[in-house]
Amino acid sequence: EAQVTQNPRYLITVTGKKLTVTCSQNMNHEYMSWYRQDPGLGLRQIYYSMNVEVTDKGDVPEGYKVSRKEKRNFPLILESPSPNQTSLYFCASRSQQGNEQFFGPGTRLTVL
Amino acid sequence: DAKTTQPPSMDCAEGRAANLPCNHSTISGNEYVYWYRQIHSQGPQYIIHGLKNNETNEMASLIITEDRKSSTLILPHATLRDTAVYYCIVRPLQYTTSGTYKYIFGTGTRLKVLA
Repeated sequence: EAQVTQNPRYLITVTGKKLTVTCSQNMNHEYMSWYRQDPGLGLRQIYYSMNVEVTDKGDVPEGYKVSRKEKRNFPLILESPSPNQTSLYFCASRSQQGNEQFFGPGTRLTVL
Repeated sequence: DAKTTQPPSMDCAEGRAANLPCNHSTISGNEYVYWYRQIHSQGPQYIIHGLKNNETNEMASLIITEDRKSSTLILPHATLRDTAVYYCIVRPLQYTTSGTYKYIFGTGTRLKVLA
């Protein structure tokens, strides 16, 4: 089944404790992206990647890092999480020429 | 990047057509209109997109005005399962200098289909 998977789905952590949210897709898509969703603010793009080793900032990249060492994986790294990073996070992918983005199921992160 | 304006919420009776408007008055000639929806807190789901002609697929129809400054997503026979937040997005045809493009989601329209 074609899908985007994220892990973990739920995470509660404390300020300053480094964490990684993994994202993987099995559709051989070139483009991958991370979004965060907060009440009243809609979905905002954090980082995106056009292909392996090619990444770029979205609209709200501060406090996040990404890497794209393999085509199928696009992990989101929070080096020193803070409470304002409490949010619902979505990973998405699409083919290079594709119109449709496929979204993962979401990761609900709480930073205390 | 062009921004979109949508009503925050709408109700629709089950079985009736749901017409969701979107204003994108600053859209440029090289930007598509896309629609996605999000059910509860699931990942958004693609519905349809268009440039200037009206489009139809198995889920919905997209009507774009001649001046392209607004569009309407039509769900012809809304069901309870269509209750969701609907996002109207514009994005450029051309890649940015970095080889990709950004999606700008707004806050969407919360559609409630009533039994």
